[in-house]
Amino acid sequence: QVQLVESGGGVVQPGESLRLSCTASGFPFSSYGMHWVRQAPGKGLEWVAFIRSDETGNFYADSVKGRFFVSRENSRDTMFLQMHYLRPEDTAVYYCAKGDSGTYYGHSEHWGQGTLVTVSS
Amino acid sequence: DVQMTQSPSTLSASVGDRVTITCRASQSVSVWLAWYQQKPGKAPKLLIYKASTLQSGVSSRFSGSASGTEFTLTISNLQPDDFATYYCQQYYTSPTFGQGTKVEIK
Repeated sequence: QVQLVESGGGVVQPGESLRLSCTASGFPFSSYGMHWVRQAPGKGLEWVAFIRSDETGNFYADSVKGRFFVSRENSRDTMFLQMHYLRPEDTAVYYCAKGDSGTYYGHSEHWGQGTLVTVSS
Repeated sequence: DVQMTQSPSTLSASVGDRVTITCRASQSVSVWLAWYQQKPGKAPKLLIYKASTLQSGVSSRFSGSASGTEFTLTISNLQPDDFATYYCQQYYTSPTFGQGTKVEIK
């Protein structure tokens, strides 16, 4: 069955960097685009980034553009989110989610359990 | 960015009720809209995609419809397991979510 496992969350100070990982299993990872979605404590869902299956396109929410970078290693069935210049408002649970095609955003049937990132001095 | 305006933000209902949640898009998103259910501490669960297609394994008490830029999620015969928060999401352009609707017990 499809499994997505996020890791790498933790507590960092404002201005620092952090890299999240999402390891996939149970489906042909190299055939699907992948999303990062976050949820601040007690708040709603916010889409963060999307990467196409073949890395020909990366797309970002305006709130993270220029600070966050999504990448993937299809040989390792893993997606990454490199986060720089972190701000307190980036504090959230970060979910990875599988898209429904290789190219387009699509809906997400499968989600990870999330990893918590806390940005605080 | 496409703004998704979801209403109501909170809905009080009883077991057996029929409830309706609405999302309005700030511009056309065609049929590229999904509905998710989320319970505290859990990842979202896909209910409906492409505005009205029921995700496999999801109860037929859930249904979705669309009229222009207005989208509706209807839950019929509300069950105890349905008390949760529901989100719409457009994926026609850079995805955006509605603000969420918490369905609580009256």
